[in-house]
Amino acid sequence: KAGVTQTPRYLIKTRGQQVTLSCSPISGHRSVSWYQQTPGQGLQFLFEYFSETQRNKGNFPGRFSGRQFSNSRSEMNVSTLELGDSALYLCASSFTGGGYEQYFGPGTRLTVT
Amino acid sequence: DAKTTQPTSMDCAEGRAANLPCNHSTISGNEYVYWYRQIHSQGPQYIIHGLKNNETNEMASLIITEDRKSSTLILPHATLRDTAVYYCILSGNYGGSQGNLIFGKGTKLSVKP
Repeated sequence: KAGVTQTPRYLIKTRGQQVTLSCSPISGHRSVSWYQQTPGQGLQFLFEYFSETQRNKGNFPGRFSGRQFSNSRSEMNVSTLELGDSALYLCASSFTGGGYEQYFGPGTRLTVT
Repeated sequence: DAKTTQPTSMDCAEGRAANLPCNHSTISGNEYVYWYRQIHSQGPQYIIHGLKNNETNEMASLIITEDRKSSTLILPHATLRDTAVYYCILSGNYGGSQGNLIFGKGTKLSVKP
């Protein structure tokens, strides 16, 4: 079974721009969660989608948003990029979501200049 | 905030067992203990989880104390490839909504030849 895939793997953007990241979960998994990892804050939960609905949300500003499609693929969008948004963005999929085993993708490394 | 406490770092000799402790004194009755690890620059990898009984799989063993206030992850024969940051996480079913994963700082395990 193919693992979680994320595209693109690396991205460089300029402050003020917006960016969209994509995540394809493991086949059959209906939950997709997004995390941000920075050296200072570690791994932080952004949001979780299950059956196209946002089910949980972390403590991030409204510039961070996401959505999930009927095939469970998910995208996250960050608008008006700030330097502090430079991070590794990870998505994880699971069958039911939340506390159950989550399988992580390799991440997208976003650099904001 | 993470509800678990782990040592910042540990060393282990290659071929020996690595025992990684975790304190979770405020664990609730419906919370599971999960272990994930993150090898440098990769997405976290699920290792094992348990509720109150000891668990074993092909990767590791999980020993949970009878009062559930602490646990130990055991890698029976550590190899250099086990060098990673290991996260102990509590997660469960919170009021019908699956919880997200709240990562602490984890334990950096260094396996040395």
